[in-house]
Amino acid sequence: GAVVSQHPSWVICKSGTSVKIECRSLDFQATTMFWYRQFPKQSLMLMATSNEGSKATYEQGVEKDKFLINHASLTLSTLTVTSAHPEDSSFYICSAGGQDPYNSPLHFGNGTRLTVT
Amino acid sequence: AQKITQTQPGMFVQEKEAVTLDCTYDTSDQSYGLFWYKQPSSGEMIFLIYQGSYDEQNATEGRYSLNFQKARKSANLVISASQLGDSAMYFCAMREGGSSNTGKLIFGQGTTLQVKP
Repeated sequence: GAVVSQHPSWVICKSGTSVKIECRSLDFQATTMFWYRQFPKQSLMLMATSNEGSKATYEQGVEKDKFLINHASLTLSTLTVTSAHPEDSSFYICSAGGQDPYNSPLHFGNGTRLTVT
Repeated sequence: AQKITQTQPGMFVQEKEAVTLDCTYDTSDQSYGLFWYKQPSSGEMIFLIYQGSYDEQNATEGRYSLNFQKARKSANLVISASQLGDSAMYFCAMREGGSSNTGKLIFGQGTTLQVKP
């Protein structure tokens, strides 16, 4: 069964509104979670690393005021797309995994398809 | 900086035949892990196989095997006896080890595989 749960699976919102996406690790504690963005037919681009109890680490070029990340517990990280615009429409997917950085795979949520009208 | 390269945007294979998906990587780290994921049209990321940088034997998981050539920095995925359900996008990815690394996963561009009946 799924070890990482992501909600919602799809959302349509109006331009200017904010959208929150949740990512939960179901049967393990994740001090670190990762948020990716994927455009159609393209690769997954890492947006940020979510750290439990501290500030997220954003990749170069990702606006931290636009994409707010909160990792308030060992099993929950949230991504909020603030003041969404049509160009923010994309597939957002979170992941979490074992603490051994090179010996354990990351498990992914099923992703959230965001459409901004 | 770490980098993953998949040079085959699209591949075709006849059902029941074997296919090799190419992946090369670049890293200055001695400890790293290489992963392959499958992404069907539904968007979920399915972990297929893992190879550690210190593993001397090539990894195998059912019909999947990883042809790891460390000196050439390549980690090709071999799928034997292709099935129609193997049609999907395939991503090669790498996690670097070391205490200073968060364990983030960096992806290649992906290869779309289509299995013909």
